[in-house]
Amino acid sequence: NEVEQSPQNLTAQEGEFITINCSYSVGISALHWLQQHPGGGIVSLFMLSSGKKKHGRLIATINIQEKHSSLHITASHPRDSAVYICAVKVRGADGLTFGKGTHLIIQP
Amino acid sequence: DAGITQSPRYKITETGRQVTLMCHQTWSHSYMFWYRQDLGHGLRLIYYSAAADITDKGEVPDGYVVSRSKTENFPLTLESATRSQTSVYFCASSPPIGVLYNEQFFGPGTRLTVL
Repeated sequence: NEVEQSPQNLTAQEGEFITINCSYSVGISALHWLQQHPGGGIVSLFMLSSGKKKHGRLIATINIQEKHSSLHITASHPRDSAVYICAVKVRGADGLTFGKGTHLIIQP
Repeated sequence: DAGITQSPRYKITETGRQVTLMCHQTWSHSYMFWYRQDLGHGLRLIYYSAAADITDKGEVPDGYVVSRSKTENFPLTLESATRSQTSVYFCASSPPIGVLYNEQFFGPGTRLTVL
């Protein structure tokens, strides 16, 4: 697979610091982190081509040389429970290539 | 309503029937995409379109047909539905090359069951 995520499943307690990892094996022009709630809708959290981005309690980083990205959630909350999907825009391609997702459950 | 919409949201059909899933966006985005989501596979690209009257195959195009006569609409047709096409289908759109190039905006999805 061109995009690998780990872990596949993660259960944590409220307040814990969460890290989800994404590795890819192709040249990319951008990497996306997406969130999919149980209702099914997909929301874009971040789009990265370098460095680090932060939005509220969410932080995304990317290391282009190592072909690796991480999504961090600080002070996790039950409402963060969702599937988090890493996707890459392969250089020269038009669509996205997706990882299989990380199913996160935050218990109160 | 502004944004990207899909219809129907849920559809049950029988093997061999033709089914069309609709996608409509109000942003005048150049690019539109169809993905399917299956357990164990994640999301996979079926077809995409860079502009009206320009379409191209993605990773899993077999059994599907698309058209794009207007910028805002991108229907996906299953010409003769099979059980293996039971899936959740997502439409997405993306602006042309520019500041937000690469950003994709997803519709709410259509859950299709083929009996």
